[in-house]
Amino acid sequence: DSGVTQTPKHLITATGQRVTLRCSPRSGDLSVYWYQQSLDQGLQFLIQYYNGEERAKGNILERFSAQQFPDLHSELNLSSLELGDSALYFCASSPRDQGATEQFFGPGTRLTVL
Amino acid sequence: ILNVEQSPQSLHVQEGDSTNFTCSFPSSNFYALHWYRWETAKSPEALFVMTLNGDEKKKGRISATLNTKEGYSYLYIKGSQPEDSATYLCASTDTGRRALTFGSGTRLQVQP
Repeated sequence: DSGVTQTPKHLITATGQRVTLRCSPRSGDLSVYWYQQSLDQGLQFLIQYYNGEERAKGNILERFSAQQFPDLHSELNLSSLELGDSALYFCASSPRDQGATEQFFGPGTRLTVL
Repeated sequence: ILNVEQSPQSLHVQEGDSTNFTCSFPSSNFYALHWYRWETAKSPEALFVMTLNGDEKKKGRISATLNTKEGYSYLYIKGSQPEDSATYLCASTDTGRRALTFGSGTRLQVQP
């Protein structure tokens, strides 16, 4: 158990809908990262927050947005969902805002868009 | 954007065999190289983080080396056990980024 929690574990929804994925980092970690794992692709970095501020952006679609709250939990909002958004979404946390710090991954949220 | 490549894509070995995988990454502006172990139905778990050329790290039967000048890292598993079966991911970051770019992984299956 990494200490990172994600809810829900599974989510099934329809095209065009909007969902929110939630992540609570390990106690004391200030950085939160979001990744997408699609069927035919490796882990793709989406976005990073550090202590409430956006720090890095990867291949995140405009239909997706995220935020980190004062209690450091983070939410990833996915809207106007398409079939291709079906994937495993991971959240990871680390204590610092630095690329040489190991990241601790949550169990993931499996999103299925029908 | 970094391009991280791993080989082989998959590997089947017998219990007791030693094995190794390769991760290649762009060497310019290199900052850090990470190895993660990802078991089926679980989440990726960090094995090593390396930053310096010539770095070698070891955790039990698993070790890793880093060559930043030529842009590659090796992961070695000595005396593979069935519980080593997993996908091994490497990820790199450069000096301008904080986030990791992952390779597609090497899937290891160890037959008892």
